[in-house]
Amino acid sequence: ETGVTQTPRHLVMGMTNKKSLKCEQHLGHNAMYWYKQSAKKPLELMFVYNFKEQTENNSVPSRFSPECPNSSHLFLHLHTLQPEDSALYLCASSQEGLNSGANVLTFGAGSRLTVL
Amino acid sequence: GEDVEQSLFLSVREGDSSVINCTYTDSSSTYLYWYKQEPGAGLQLLTYIFSNMDMKQDQRLTVLLNKKDKHLSLRIADTQTGDSAIYFCAEITGTASKLTFGTGTRLQVTL
Repeated sequence: ETGVTQTPRHLVMGMTNKKSLKCEQHLGHNAMYWYKQSAKKPLELMFVYNFKEQTENNSVPSRFSPECPNSSHLFLHLHTLQPEDSALYLCASSQEGLNSGANVLTFGAGSRLTVL
Repeated sequence: GEDVEQSLFLSVREGDSSVINCTYTDSSSTYLYWYKQEPGAGLQLLTYIFSNMDMKQDQRLTVLLNKKDKHLSLRIADTQTGDSAIYFCAEITGTASKLTFGTGTRLQVTL
């Protein structure tokens, strides 16, 4: 266990479904992140939360909706997705936000999403 | 803009050295990182280097940084089959305060 747990590990959904991805960390970190990993493309930062406040939204379409109820939990709500949204969604956490020195990210194992 | 580039694939024989290369564009990068992703897992930090250093060694790993050419490399000595994974280069900049990753280089170790 890396300390960052993501559920579900695999998700298949239709374009009209609504589902959520969950991320949980018990490392006492204050910043949490969502990244999208697609084949042969750079890892894309989607959202950043620092002390439960969203500090970065990297031009992500509104069909992805993040929620951070506390510093330990992060959700990604999904609705009316497109097939090109199929990817591995990685959650990460760090002690503080990335403007604090050599802050290191701890990643979860990811949620593999397939949109039919 | 911020861009981190890596080749997609590298194949080496067991026991040889592997060198994974990365170029970045943001000259104000303060820290540069190497992460490793094994199959079915998230990314794990391998090592990082501060921008005022040009080399860092940690057991079998050697990181070289050429700031003038904006080139970062990771050398793995005596490569083992357990080193087979995807290796990501990443940079953090003080101004953007976000981590930018490359595409990852898939390292295949053959017997």
